[in-house]
Amino acid sequence: EVQLVESGGGLVQPGGSLRLSCAASGFPFRSYWMSWVRQAPGKGLEWVANIKQDGSDKDYVDSVKGRFTISRDNAKNSLYLQMTCLRAEDTAVYYCASGGNTPFDTWGQGTLVTVSS
Amino acid sequence: DIQMTQSPSTLSASVGDRVTITCRASQSISSWLAWYQQKPGKAPKLLIYKASSLESTVPSRFSGSGSGTEFTLTINSLQPDDFATYYCQQYSSYPRTFGQGTKVEIK
Repeated sequence: EVQLVESGGGLVQPGGSLRLSCAASGFPFRSYWMSWVRQAPGKGLEWVANIKQDGSDKDYVDSVKGRFTISRDNAKNSLYLQMTCLRAEDTAVYYCASGGNTPFDTWGQGTLVTVSS
Repeated sequence: DIQMTQSPSTLSASVGDRVTITCRASQSISSWLAWYQQKPGKAPKLLIYKASSLESTVPSRFSGSGSGTEFTLTINSLQPDDFATYYCQQYSSYPRTFGQGTKVEIK
């Protein structure tokens, strides 16, 4: 079964850091672009970042550039999002998804990040 | 950035109705458009890619059309399971952008 499982979300103070993880199974992870997409409470979807199969190419939405870093470990079938200098407006459910250079064809269940004092 | 605008924002329909949702891009994206369905508390699900290609396991009552800047998602004979929010998304250029969503409600 194709599966993506996120973890690492939680409550963090403004200015703090958090690292999200996504464990992939059931498909050849190393062959896929991977992405993070977020959804603020009651709002629409926003693409955050994506990373090429070998990690050599990464792209970010402007609002997170310089604060968030996407990475992957193909040996562990895992995707990561290191988030620093968090702001209230980063509060959202963060989804891991396969794709980025292509449509997002598999999604995880999401992990909630709440930035609040 | 390419802006994606969906209409309507909300749509009230009955089971069996034919429903059409429109998505407009602020500049040409060729056919690099996807449609997703999202139910409350759940992750989005890919329905259509490359504007008109149906993802495997998606029922054939869903169809997509268009190219350039104007696209449509059509649901023929709306079923109870189809009441959800639908998003279009372009993957022509960065940043990848989504429409604001169209909520399909029960009339």
